[in-house]
Amino acid sequence: GQNIDQPTEMTATEGAIVQINCTYQTSGFNGLFWYQQHAGEAPTFLSYNVLDGLEEKGRFSSFLSRSKGYSYLLLKELQMKDSASYLCAVRGVRNSGYSTLTFGKGTMLLVSP
Amino acid sequence: EPEVTQTPSHQVTQMGQEVILRCVPISNHLYFYWYRQILGQKVEFLVSFYNNEISEKSEIFDDQFSVERPDGSNFTLKIRSTKLEDSAMYFCASSAQGAAGQPQHFGDGTRLSIL
Repeated sequence: GQNIDQPTEMTATEGAIVQINCTYQTSGFNGLFWYQQHAGEAPTFLSYNVLDGLEEKGRFSSFLSRSKGYSYLLLKELQMKDSASYLCAVRGVRNSGYSTLTFGKGTMLLVSP
Repeated sequence: EPEVTQTPSHQVTQMGQEVILRCVPISNHLYFYWYRQILGQKVEFLVSFYNNEISEKSEIFDDQFSVERPDGSNFTLKIRSTKLEDSAMYFCASSAQGAAGQPQHFGDGTRLSIL
């Protein structure tokens, strides 16, 4: 089965840095994705990790440790528009070989002035 | 930038009725997915579709549900005999490949309300 844990809520101040953690236990691993979801909207792809290490993409970075079943999303220079839910999703490999995404419950980030 | 489009944005239906949710995936994508998100809960996988057949489905995707690609552009989710607990946001997604590294791009969703 798949189990993905992330904090429910976090708060931070505009201009600051915040780290959102995600731990997972999965049967088969084929990559970890981070998505951003504003209330009432679709998840939007942010980043992807399949090998250990840090992937940087502008103000957003994501880290993966496969041995620890652990990832984090790092957001720098926070802006008010970054207030959203951040979803950790693991891609597993199932019977047919085509993979699907299992999502965590999401971390609601509130950025204040 | 190409995007996944879904219609309608909001569907209100009486319990027991059938609904069809429609999606137009990104044109050069080959893999299609349906997810649902009950209000306040996590996004849940329903089904994946490739080469005109279902490739994976979850426990949620029982005989009440079916998917179809009726032509070269549309991808539909049919829910028969709807129940109150089917009320949720339904997201369609597509990806260029099923392989790792290819992100799934989501549509804006259809909010389904069962009365």
